[in-house]
Amino acid sequence: QKEVEQNSGPLSVPEGAIASLNCTYSDRGSQSFFWYRQYSGKSPELIMSIYSNGDKEDGRFTAQLNKASQYVSLLIRDSQPSDSATYLCAVIRNQFYFGTGTSLTVIP
Amino acid sequence: DTEVTQTPKHLVMGMTNKKSLKCEQHMGHRAMYWYKQKAKKPPELMFVYSYEKLSINESVPSRFSPECPNSSLLNLHLHALQPEDSALYLCASSPTVAWADTQYFGPGTRLTVL
Repeated sequence: QKEVEQNSGPLSVPEGAIASLNCTYSDRGSQSFFWYRQYSGKSPELIMSIYSNGDKEDGRFTAQLNKASQYVSLLIRDSQPSDSATYLCAVIRNQFYFGTGTSLTVIP
Repeated sequence: DTEVTQTPKHLVMGMTNKKSLKCEQHMGHRAMYWYKQKAKKPPELMFVYSYEKLSINESVPSRFSPECPNSSLLNLHLHALQPEDSALYLCASSPTVAWADTQYFGPGTRLTVL
């Protein structure tokens, strides 16, 4: 079983819709959780970090963490074509574990 | 400011060449990392420096040689690479000791080995 799992997609949503990205992790001792956005050919860019159960909002982005169910999600409201990218979930448990990423396409 | 810089942006080298990748951060971060990323794959950890000491070396071939001259600089020396080493090489840093904190990535060096 992989440490961090994501649906690879591709996920397509129309402009203005809500995009929902999900990530599950295997180790209950995982402490810190991150979402990175990566445009094709570019480096990962930190979008959100979340450390405790519940929701954390930053502009159009909301991260949700449920440690009991071992999942973390990212919601993108009012999706824009510029949000089209691969979204990497990352978890810290003694080291940084990346998921394989979900490819998101926002259709104008 | 969360800037990590990397040079060069692009590098093409032959299998007999020796080259170096450079990474710099001026955020006072104490941990620095080298990752390798192939197309449509997540970043793959190569080396970790924590307080300028190599703390993790993920069984990377000896043709890759890291160096941390000081707390702001991280180099990756390349020698006798193979075409399969062509990838995006990413440097990252984090504020405190390795694995305890958020990692910030540089723009990467796109390496092509002919």
